[in-house]
Amino acid sequence: GQQLNQSPQSMFIQEGEDVSMNCTSSSIFNTWLWYKQDPGEGPVLLIALYKAGELTSNGRLTAQFGITRKDSFLNISASIPSDVGIYFCAGQGGGSQGNLIFGKGTKLSVKP
Amino acid sequence: EPEVTQTPSHQVTQMGQEVILRCVPISNHLYFYWYRQILGQKVEFLVSFYNNEISEKSEIFDDQFSVERPDGSNFTLKIRSTKLEDSAMYFCASGYSGGTNIGNQPQHFGDGTRLSIL
Repeated sequence: GQQLNQSPQSMFIQEGEDVSMNCTSSSIFNTWLWYKQDPGEGPVLLIALYKAGELTSNGRLTAQFGITRKDSFLNISASIPSDVGIYFCAGQGGGSQGNLIFGKGTKLSVKP
Repeated sequence: EPEVTQTPSHQVTQMGQEVILRCVPISNHLYFYWYRQILGQKVEFLVSFYNNEISEKSEIFDDQFSVERPDGSNFTLKIRSTKLEDSAMYFCASGYSGGTNIGNQPQHFGDGTRLSIL
């Protein structure tokens, strides 16, 4: 089945540093989504990408939908302690409201 | 902002018992989903539901699982005879409130039900 490879698995950074994480797939997706999950909570949508090549920002977060539709990256600029959590990429397969295929997540730790 | 709400937040059940997990999707959404996340692993799709029927389901969603929309607001996941390996976080999600831009309306998740099978 379709799989997403998300890297890195974990990151330990200093407050104020920029962060970059990415997802790749052997399959094409029509939609890429980035979610953040805090402990004991559900995934919270950060950015949704709908067109190949699209670059979208949400505050200090920027994500891009790869031109081949097989990859996406998420950048966080000037990280702060509340950025700590697990970041998941998700590709939408099947129909336009099809199920999400999730990456394994990037666990981000920010040292004040 | 509208939210997906799930109850209970934690369910402890003996192996072999039936369990029903409940969700109230965002009120104007038309697609509903269940996902699960085994501790420390990625989120996995179980089933999607649209127009009062299952739209897609994964290999995980076997005959022990069923979904229902018993009224205009609730969406439930039933596990008929629970197994130890059913222990996980179960997330409900909803998406798409109508219109032509079906692809541009992302799924929103609830905070999950932690299911512990003893």
